[in-house]
Amino acid sequence: EVQLVETGGDLIQPGGSLRLSCAASGFTVSSNYMSWVRQAPGKGLEWVSIIYGGDTRYYADSVMGRFTVSRDNSKNTLYLLMTSLRAEDTAMYYCARVERKNYGVDYWGQGTLVTVSS
Amino acid sequence: QSALTQPASVSGSPGQSITISCTGTSSDVGTYNYVSWYQQHPGKAPKLMIYGVSDRPSGVSNRFSGSKSGNTASLTISGLQAEDEADYYCSSFTISSTLVFGGGTKLTVL
Repeated sequence: EVQLVETGGDLIQPGGSLRLSCAASGFTVSSNYMSWVRQAPGKGLEWVSIIYGGDTRYYADSVMGRFTVSRDNSKNTLYLLMTSLRAEDTAMYYCARVERKNYGVDYWGQGTLVTVSS
Repeated sequence: QSALTQPASVSGSPGQSITISCTGTSSDVGTYNYVSWYQQHPGKAPKLMIYGVSDRPSGVSNRFSGSKSGNTASLTISGLQAEDEADYYCSSFTISSTLVFGGGTKLTVL
């Protein structure tokens, strides 16, 4: 059974850093496209980043230069390092597996909440 | 990286059909057949309902169908049921090798 379990969400002050983790089971992170998607309270889904095979990575303009996506194949885990956090980064962060053939997100985690506030 | 455009809300009575539109550009929806649709109930993670414009994952009711014309994709739900009440989002692959979501549509079953 495919599962994605995010951890690491917290209350953090503006300007701070935080690392989110997404432990995967039932499939291999290194062989799949993996993405982070966020949802601010009461708002819609916003794509954040994606990591393709060969470690090619892309980011939304809103997080470029501040967020870094990575993966540890030995732990079958995806990460999102977030720095220079702003109030507008407050959101539920979902880890997602992106289907290679059609770029649909076929599996989602339950989400981890990041709150940026002083 | 502008969001795809969806109506904020749609509504329909049980048994009726509704259609939700998703308008992008030639940089995303218009160029690729990589449009997906997601259903999200309050407090839950999104669920994939349609991928590749019109394909349904195993287990998704055939009351859900998708199509595309030019820069606009559409999700149609036929035989509306109370449990269909939720938020719906479209997404597309883009020429920048990124993904983009629509702003979301709240479906109310009257």
